[in-house]
Formats: sequence, C-alpha cells, structure tokens
Amino acid sequence: SYELTQPPSVSVSPGQTASITCSGDKLGDKYACWYQQKPGQSPVLVIYQNNKRPSGIPERFSGSNSGNAATLTISGTQAMDEADYYCQAWDSSTVVFGGGTKLTVL
Amino acid sequence: EVQLLESGGGLVQPGGSLRLSCAASGFTFSSYAMSWVRQAPGKGLERVSAISGSGGITYYADSVKGRFTISRDNSKNTLDLQMNSLRAEDTAVYYCAKRSGDGSSYYFDSWGQGTLLTVSS
Repeated sequence: SYELTQPPSVSVSPGQTASITCSGDKLGDKYACWYQQKPGQSPVLVIYQNNKRPSGIPERFSGSNSGNAATLTISGTQAMDEADYYCQAWDSSTVVFGGGTKLTVL
Repeated sequence: EVQLLESGGGLVQPGGSLRLSCAASGFTFSSYAMSWVRQAPGKGLERVSAISGSGGITYYADSVKGRFTISRDNSKNTLDLQMNSLRAEDTAVYYCAKRSGDGSSYYFDSWGQGTLLTVSS
C-alpha cells in the first residue's frame, strides 16, 4: 500500500520560514494537500492541489510537489501557526494521510 | 457557510454497537461524496468509510470492513455510520468530512467538530 512519510516534528523561530516535507513514491505525479490541526480542534485544509490556498488561508502558506516529495512552506511563521500538519494524497482511489508533523514555534 | 455537525458518540462496551450521525448544511449535500475520518487519541488521521453523492458507491477501510455501514439520506442532508462489533481499537474521534475536487485531486475541504467514541469495558 502507498505510504506518505512526514518528519514527526519541525521547529522554527517566529518570523522565520518553516518547511514540512511529505515523502512518497512518485508523489510528484499525484496531487497533494495539507491540513492544519490545532489541539482539540478539527483539521483545516490549508493547501490543496499541491499549491492552492482555500479562501481565508493566509498567503504565508504555500505548497509545492515534485519528484518524491511535497513541501508545505510557511513564510514569516507566527505563534498561531503552531499545530500538527498532515499531508494527504490519493493512490488507487484510496485516501492516504501522512503521519503528521508537529510544528513548534519557539 | 458549510456546517457539519456530528452526534452519537459515547462509551460502548467491546462487541457493542453505535450509530453516528452527521447533519450537513450550507451546500448541495447530494452533490458531494462524504467520508468518515477518525483519529485515535494522540494518533493521525484515518479515513474509515466513504459514500458517493448518490449513495450508490461506498468504501470501507480494511480495519472496519464487515463491521461498519455508511449511509446517507439526501432528503434530510444527513450522513450516518452504523458501527457494530466494536473493538477497543475503534476508540477515536470520528469526523464527518466533505470531499471536493475531481479525478485524482480529491481533498476534504470541510470537517465537522468530531464526536468521540470510546470502546471500553
């Protein structure tokens, strides 16, 4: 079965750029999306179709996808961006989620 | 504004049954496939079941196949998940999620607040 791998944790200083990777075999041939989940809250879609932002998502969130990895980039990271982030793709009509990355802003 | 409101969670003994419901509003419900996605305590996301807009096509993860049944009532804008033969490993927050996109670029653009299922004796 297809797997998506994310680092368990990423740390970033306020105002700096955070990058979270999601690795999978030929992931660049698929569409990736990203969800943000804060403690005790439901997931929120922040990037879809590799690099599109839903309405209401700040411009500091961006995405890319090529080769075997998709990347979520948060520019000018703010304290409010501290959360778990999950990547997701489709493979053989099946949803696949990455294991999640805890972003710490310190 | 899209709203998804789950209900029906609670404490159930192993082997027991429970039915979750999701009330949808703010969009043309019958036009969208819907899913149930669960999250065990401290763990990641797992899609357990899905249903097409018409209700004619369903999907179940191997972990729940034969035990869970998904259904929808497009006249009432509701999504249900009947869960039987529950196990401790089914303990999780269950989210109702609306699927958008097309082809190979599906994504979940709206999620409910979740309902907690605890399976324990």
